[in-house]
Amino acid sequence: EVQLLESGGGLVQPGGSLRLSCVASGFTFSTYAMTWVRQAPGKGLEWVSAISGDGAYIYYADSVKGRFTLSRDNSRNTLYLQMNSLRAEDTAAYYCAKNLRDGAAAYEYWGQGTLVNVCS
Amino acid sequence: ENVLTQSPGTLSLSPGERATLSCRASQSLSSSYLAWYQQRPGQAPRFLIYGATSRATGVPDRFSGSGSGTDFTLTISRVEPEDFAVYYCQQYGSSPITFGQGTRLEIK
Repeated sequence: EVQLLESGGGLVQPGGSLRLSCVASGFTFSTYAMTWVRQAPGKGLEWVSAISGDGAYIYYADSVKGRFTLSRDNSRNTLYLQMNSLRAEDTAAYYCAKNLRDGAAAYEYWGQGTLVNVCS
Repeated sequence: ENVLTQSPGTLSLSPGERATLSCRASQSLSSSYLAWYQQRPGQAPRFLIYGATSRATGVPDRFSGSGSGTDFTLTISRVEPEDFAVYYCQQYGSSPITFGQGTRLEIK
């Protein structure tokens, strides 16, 4: 059974930093691209960042480029999102998702999400 | 950026009725790289459809996807009580990945 477990969310002041983690199980982690998608309170879904299975290719939304850094540790089956210079508009539930397959960035499995609240 | 516009914003139906949800893309999607998701309150999105027409594993066959180019449809043949939720379309044919704003399916 595929499981994705996010952690690391919380309350942070504007300008602060957080690191989100997503521990994966139930599939061969290193062979799948992974993605973060966020959802502001009461709003729709927004793609944030994605990384290839080997970590060689990383992509960011313009809204987070230069502030967020995505990485993965395939030996630990873990995905990380380092979030710096946080803004109020980054407040959201952050979901870790497993891509369907290489070249198909549809999201087959999702974690339950971790909440990030940027507030002074 | 390929903007996805979903309609209607809210769809009010009774259980047993047919639901038709629309997703229109501002640019034609290559290879029908369109997916649909269901999100119930307080839950993560659930993967329903990919490649515009293929059902994900475990998705009941009352859910079906159709369309190509810029116009896509999610159809629920007979709505069940557990289907009342928000539905999102998503394109993955071009960067950046984009989602529609969602259609809320509510009980009439």
